[in-house]
Amino acid sequence: KQEVTQIPAALSVPEGENLVLNCSFTDSAIYNLQWFRQDPGKGLTSLLLIQSSQREQTSGRLNASLDKSSGRSTLYIAASQPGDSATYLCAVCLYNTDKLIFGTGTRLQVFP
Amino acid sequence: GEEVAQTPKHLVRGEGQKAKLYCAPIKGHSYVFWYQQVLKNEFKFLISFQNENVFDETGMPKERFSAKCLPNSPCSLEIQATKLEDSAVYFCASSQSVVTDTQYFGPGTRLTVL
Repeated sequence: KQEVTQIPAALSVPEGENLVLNCSFTDSAIYNLQWFRQDPGKGLTSLLLIQSSQREQTSGRLNASLDKSSGRSTLYIAASQPGDSATYLCAVCLYNTDKLIFGTGTRLQVFP
Repeated sequence: GEEVAQTPKHLVRGEGQKAKLYCAPIKGHSYVFWYQQVLKNEFKFLISFQNENVFDETGMPKERFSAKCLPNSPCSLEIQATKLEDSAVYFCASSQSVVTDTQYFGPGTRLTVL
């Protein structure tokens, strides 16, 4: 059974810091891994999608890497801003199915 | 449309009552997914559709939950005889492809069962 874990569970940092959020999964038979952010009371916003054959994806200040063999992904946020405050979720799309299995989330607070 | 739309935003039901939730996927997307978020960050997959056909229903508690995606109509998720533990936010998502495309999520419907 695929299990997805994220550490840390919560993070509070001053503005400007570079951050690394971690995601680990137990089964490497995946189509892709996706990173989302969720603001309080809102839905999910897609940040990055990494195909199983890819090693990393970048969008603006965000960079996500994928090491399928070790079951790990990291989301790197450069020069954090208060607007980055949200819960960040990683999710893997299982091979031969379509469902996303979500991690436990990292609650990020960036203070001015 | 360019966004996944879900209605209603909030739904309150007494235990044992029926609840029906609606989802309009992004135009052109073939896949529709339903997820349940019970605690703050615990997402549980319920069911998916490829067009109007059920693609994967392994997450559905079939005795009380049912879902449909009919042509030219919003998709729906119905809960017969709601229980307290059904209180959650229900998210709908859509995508063009399972493998290469991200799933785009709607804003969710918050169901409260009293």
